[in-house]
Amino acid sequence: AQSVTQPDIHITVSEGASLELRCNYSYGATPYLFWYVQSPGQGLQLLLKYFSGDTLVQGIKGFEAEFKRSQSSFNLRKPSVHWSDAAEYFCAVGSYSGNTPLVFGKGTRLSVIA
Amino acid sequence: DAGVIQSPRHEVTEMGQEVTLRCKPISGHDYLFWYRQTMMRGLELLIYFNNNVPIDDSGMPEDRFSAKMPNASFSTLKIQPSEPRDSAVYFCASSGGQINSNQPQHFGDGTRLSIL
Repeated sequence: AQSVTQPDIHITVSEGASLELRCNYSYGATPYLFWYVQSPGQGLQLLLKYFSGDTLVQGIKGFEAEFKRSQSSFNLRKPSVHWSDAAEYFCAVGSYSGNTPLVFGKGTRLSVIA
Repeated sequence: DAGVIQSPRHEVTEMGQEVTLRCKPISGHDYLFWYRQTMMRGLELLIYFNNNVPIDDSGMPEDRFSAKMPNASFSTLKIQPSEPRDSAVYFCASSGGQINSNQPQHFGDGTRLSIL
């Protein structure tokens, strides 16, 4: 079965600074990978997904993520953070074989300071 | 295009009372998921349905919890009797395609449940 780890529980960055949120997965084959964002009081919104092809994927709100098979990682990046990016971010992994739904990481809370 | 709709958005009730949470998935989606989110445990999958049939309810914490999906456009999660430790945000999500496809799950805005 697949699993996902988000090593950072909480990250604080300054507005305008770059951001990288880490995600490591465990799965025997090529996984499907997703990043979601949860703003306070709201549900999870899909930022981007990877399932094949170009390992650098672009998402909404200026986010991108890079799939690195050798490192079993799918880190989320943004070149310049805005105060409105403060939220909880979840990485999720799905399997293209088997019969299991997405597995979510425990999330990384992003704080943005002026 | 309507997303996943959950009701109520907030529920406050006393312990021992029955609580019913409702969800309307996105039209055409075959899968429906119920999650619970707490500070301590994060996001937990409680149960999911495929074509209105429960597939995996291993995440349901106790017999006090039950979920139904009488038709493709409606699902309920019921807690009876409720306890203070059930206080959490409950999310419903739906997705199309196969369970092992690359289709993402679409989440509702959740129901914030407080049991006094």
